[in-house]
Amino acid sequence: DIQMTQSPSSLSASVGDRVAITCRASQSIKSYLNWYQQKPGKAPKLLIYGASTLQSGVPSRFSGSGSGTDFTLTISSLLPEDSATYYCQQSYNSLPRTFGGGTKVEIK
Amino acid sequence: EVQLLESGGGLVQPGGSLRLSCAASGFTFSPNTMSWVRQAPGKGLEWVSGITGDSKFTFYADSVRGRFTISRDNSKNRLYLEMNSLRVDDTAVYYCAKDLVPGDGRWEFDYWGQGTLVTASS
Repeated sequence: DIQMTQSPSSLSASVGDRVAITCRASQSIKSYLNWYQQKPGKAPKLLIYGASTLQSGVPSRFSGSGSGTDFTLTISSLLPEDSATYYCQQSYNSLPRTFGGGTKVEIK
Repeated sequence: EVQLLESGGGLVQPGGSLRLSCAASGFTFSPNTMSWVRQAPGKGLEWVSGITGDSKFTFYADSVRGRFTISRDNSKNRLYLEMNSLRVDDTAVYYCAKDLVPGDGRWEFDYWGQGTLVTASS
């Protein structure tokens, strides 16, 4: 199985800060990397797929980058509604489609 | 509007069985690969099982293979997960999820249901 490792596991930042979350795959997954946002008690929401393509309706302050094994989700200017847990997921040609362990983002 | 509505969760004793159902609406169900993803209390996401649009291929995580069976009824726009020999560590919220691009096999989940809680406990 491809292992996905996210860092940090949690972070606290202020409104307006630039926030970056990293995800590392145990082997190359080319650009087959997705990011999800999950708020407490809610289902995950797809933010970015294909490493950098913004899902329809997702604010442009979210962006994704990377390829191969190293990927980054960036929030350019943090808003209170961005408080959530973020997960990466690989969708390369192997099952299971593993998720990272999650990064909890809190607002100071 | 795309909607996925799970049902069938509940409390079951270890070793017992449950059948989850997911009712889909707002999109053309039959071409879409569908999956079940679960989340244990306070834990991360785990893909459990997936099925192609024509039911020709089914896929399972090692943790559930041989105990869980995924199926679908395209005439009713429904996805199912039959769970047997349930274990305490199967306790989780189970989500059904739709693939972003029908038939591409990428398993990028653009819509999720609200989830149904399965608790395996004595």
